[in-house]
Amino acid sequence: QSVLTQPPSVSAAPGQKVTISCSGSSSNIGNNYVSWYQQLPGTAPRLLIFDNNKRPPGIPDRFSGSRSGTSATLGITGLQTGDEADYYCGTWDSSLSAGGVFGGGTKLTVL
Amino acid sequence: QVQLQESGPGLVKPSETLSLTCAVSGGSISNYYWSWIRLPPGKGLEWIGFIFYTGNTNYNPSLKSRVTVSIDTSKKQFSLRLSSVTAADTAVYYCARLRRGELIEGSTWYFDLWGRGSLVTVSS
Repeated sequence: QSVLTQPPSVSAAPGQKVTISCSGSSSNIGNNYVSWYQQLPGTAPRLLIFDNNKRPPGIPDRFSGSRSGTSATLGITGLQTGDEADYYCGTWDSSLSAGGVFGGGTKLTVL
Repeated sequence: QVQLQESGPGLVKPSETLSLTCAVSGGSISNYYWSWIRLPPGKGLEWIGFIFYTGNTNYNPSLKSRVTVSIDTSKKQFSLRLSSVTAADTAVYYCARLRRGELIEGSTWYFDLWGRGSLVTVSS
């Protein structure tokens, strides 16, 4: 059971837009910055978004992030078949059991 | 560019200690936080712990009693030891560079570089 809640799967057609949600609480998303990771099949995770909405160099602007209250959202526009992957959100949890936390991951299928 | 590479046994017996090392190449190990993360089969990512180049550590509370992360800056590597392993510790183990700090609106926390991962199976 992950601390952050993500939908197990989402799907959309090539060229369309998809959003992936990440729900937490005031001790994590509500008061700390969120990051997002893409894990293509057979590869290591790659940082997509940090500090809620910032992209590292080399990440296309088709990928965007936002945070509102205790939830965060990853958006992907202009879907490509190469975007099929698992996506994870992560943040720091400042509760008594402080530590890094992740969502359970969302499998994106590009139909 | 900076690269990370995990190494260690791929098979560990139950009740024994899992040991992995992460080599940092192409850049400095100093002035950064370094972390271990794992991905159990069919599950999500789990943060294990981190170490600052000075040796300060912080561990996942659920694993704290069994985890030790250490660093050797002269060799540009850091290591993970997980004791008393069970089948539930079977996972792909990743080393990663952690960026963390305190900003105006909370803590920033993200992993900007990852190793390729090392599959560790716990089985007799």
